[in-house]
Amino acid sequence: QLQLQESGPGLVKPSETLSLTCTVSGGSIRTSSYYWGWIRQPPGKGLEWIGSIYYSGSTHYNPSLKSRVTISVDTSKDHFSLNLNSVTAADTAVYYCARQRTGSSWYIVDWFDPWGQGTLVTVSS
Amino acid sequence: QSALTQPASVSGSPGQSITISCTGTSSDVGGYNYVSWYQQHPGKAPKLMIYDVTNRPSGVSNRFSGSKSGNTASLTISGLQAEDEADYYCSSYTSSSTVFGGGTKLTVL
Repeated sequence: QLQLQESGPGLVKPSETLSLTCTVSGGSIRTSSYYWGWIRQPPGKGLEWIGSIYYSGSTHYNPSLKSRVTISVDTSKDHFSLNLNSVTAADTAVYYCARQRTGSSWYIVDWFDPWGQGTLVTVSS
Repeated sequence: QSALTQPASVSGSPGQSITISCTGTSSDVGGYNYVSWYQQHPGKAPKLMIYDVTNRPSGVSNRFSGSKSGNTASLTISGLQAEDEADYYCSSYTSSSTVFGGGTKLTVL
């Protein structure tokens, strides 16, 4: 059974870089049918897609976050990572990683399943 | 990209049916059959309930169904049960991106 687990600091200072890793177990990240994505949820608010990466390294990013986001993948370790720079209090959220199915073509991104349990990252000095 | 539009809240009594709408544009919901729905209980990760507009993953109750007309997708839950009380989010593909709806809180009266 495929499982995803987020890890990283729970507290980040304003203007610094938020870095998280998602470790995939029970399966390989090197699969042609899936992307690997990051989604966040500010306290009491809705879901926001951050971006997704294919095992080859091809990425899709949310246009509103694109200038601050980098997602990378390490297929040898079956994990992928999120870097979000110049963070502010508005970036405080629970961050989820999830597997994302491709659509009819490899560059189309579709549904998320399964999801990690999520990790709360607070931006505060 | 703008978030898809969902009602903030819906409610229903046990045994009844409810429908949650998800309105987008011809660039997302209306343009592709890549609409999915997620259920989220408090403090938990979202769970996939419907994918590709109408498909149910293995293990999801057949009380949950999805449909689409034009730029609006819908999630219908029949035979409401107390355990269905949760937040529900729609999502759609749009030009190399994914966009979520704002979420709908379902209350079972």
